[in-house]
Amino acid sequence: GQNIDQPTEMTATEGAIVQINCTYQTSGFNGLFWYQQHAGEAPTFLSYNVLDGLEEKGRFSSFLSRSKGYSYLLLKELQMKDSASYLCAVIDSNYQLIWGAGTKLIIKP
Amino acid sequence: GAVVSQHPSWVICKSGTSVKIECRSLDFQATTMFWYRQFPKQSLMLMATSNEGSKATYEQGVEKDKFLINHASLTLSTLTVTSAHPEDSSFYICSARGLGDGNQPQHFGDGTRLSIL
Repeated sequence: GQNIDQPTEMTATEGAIVQINCTYQTSGFNGLFWYQQHAGEAPTFLSYNVLDGLEEKGRFSSFLSRSKGYSYLLLKELQMKDSASYLCAVIDSNYQLIWGAGTKLIIKP
Repeated sequence: GAVVSQHPSWVICKSGTSVKIECRSLDFQATTMFWYRQFPKQSLMLMATSNEGSKATYEQGVEKDKFLINHASLTLSTLTVTSAHPEDSSFYICSARGLGDGNQPQHFGDGTRLSIL
């Protein structure tokens, strides 16, 4: 079967750095997305990785290792507004998007 | 760019009413649109995938006759919840994917909060 694993919940401190991991086992791979979803709102697109390595976009960076079936989202200089759920999603060989359950990130002052 | 508009944002109606939700891609053409449902504190659940000009593909367990999907143009898809009941109350979210390969990101509308009394 197809499976995406990410931690259910994480807590971090304002101003700190947090890494949210995502591991996947899918039938094929055509890319991985990270989305942010604030409570009661729709998801917003953060990043896309299809090649190995680190993609940096401001305070957010996303890393991919295809051989390990692993990605992480790195958030630096955390702000209170970063409190949200972070969803990992993988495109399989049929171009179906497989969603993880999301990681709820709680930022404390 | 890549703005998706979903309307209405909130619907409160009586049991037995049919409710229509619109999803529009405002600044790009979307060959494929997706409809999701999300219950409080739960994951996104894909209900169906619709391609412009063809019938929608429904996920297992989603009733086609209950959730009617129309994708008549490259910028508009609609979801009609027919004869809605309290158990249909949920957060419905659409997303649209642009032309090109299936590895384009999905861009989401703001969602529709449906409450059936």
